[in-house]
Amino acid sequence: AQSVSQHNHHVILSEAASLELGCNYSYGGTVNLFWYVQYPGQHLQLLLKYFSGDPLVKGIKGFEAEFIKSKFSFNLRKPSVQWSDTAEYFCAVNYNYGQNFVFGPGTRLSVLP
Amino acid sequence: GAVVSQHPSWVICKSGTSVKIECRSLDFQATTMFWYRQFPKQSLMLMATSNEGSKATYEQGVEKDKFLINHASLTLSTLTVTSAHPEDSSFYICSARGVREEKLFFGSGTQLSVL
Repeated sequence: AQSVSQHNHHVILSEAASLELGCNYSYGGTVNLFWYVQYPGQHLQLLLKYFSGDPLVKGIKGFEAEFIKSKFSFNLRKPSVQWSDTAEYFCAVNYNYGQNFVFGPGTRLSVLP
Repeated sequence: GAVVSQHPSWVICKSGTSVKIECRSLDFQATTMFWYRQFPKQSLMLMATSNEGSKATYEQGVEKDKFLINHASLTLSTLTVTSAHPEDSSFYICSARGVREEKLFFGSGTQLSVL
């Protein structure tokens, strides 16, 4: 079965630290890749997405992600986190143009002021 | 971890018929459930938020008479696409949140194809 894993359940960082959240997915054909964020008390918001082209994708709020096909990975990065980045981050993979959409379990990020 | 079961995973129907999609929380009480829709090459779009025992709150542009949402118990929410048309063909996914949790848990999604 197709699956998405996220390396960390909970990450705690100080402000200005660099962030990398891991995401790996199982092979399943053509993939479109997403990172979503859920701020406390809110629902999902799209951070960035990859469909094709440049594997380094830039999203909102200074986030970026790199698609490495050979490693089945789509890690999320931010050079310097802020307290306002405290949230739950979900990696999601859309397999084969909508035939299956799989979310990772999420990573909780806590940024200490 | 918490599990959300969504059924069916794939459905094909004729234009004009209605389709019901179920979303169940298997090991927790889901006080809030969310229904999303995804069009090809786009991200998820929130359709509605349902709280157990009350009417669903629909996002702007979502027809409440077409997409009927029922959240009658703490473990079950249903989305019924009434009088489906080909433009309703899409991927629908639910997510649920429990009483004590801020974290969302996702169903596996339903691919609806209307002929």
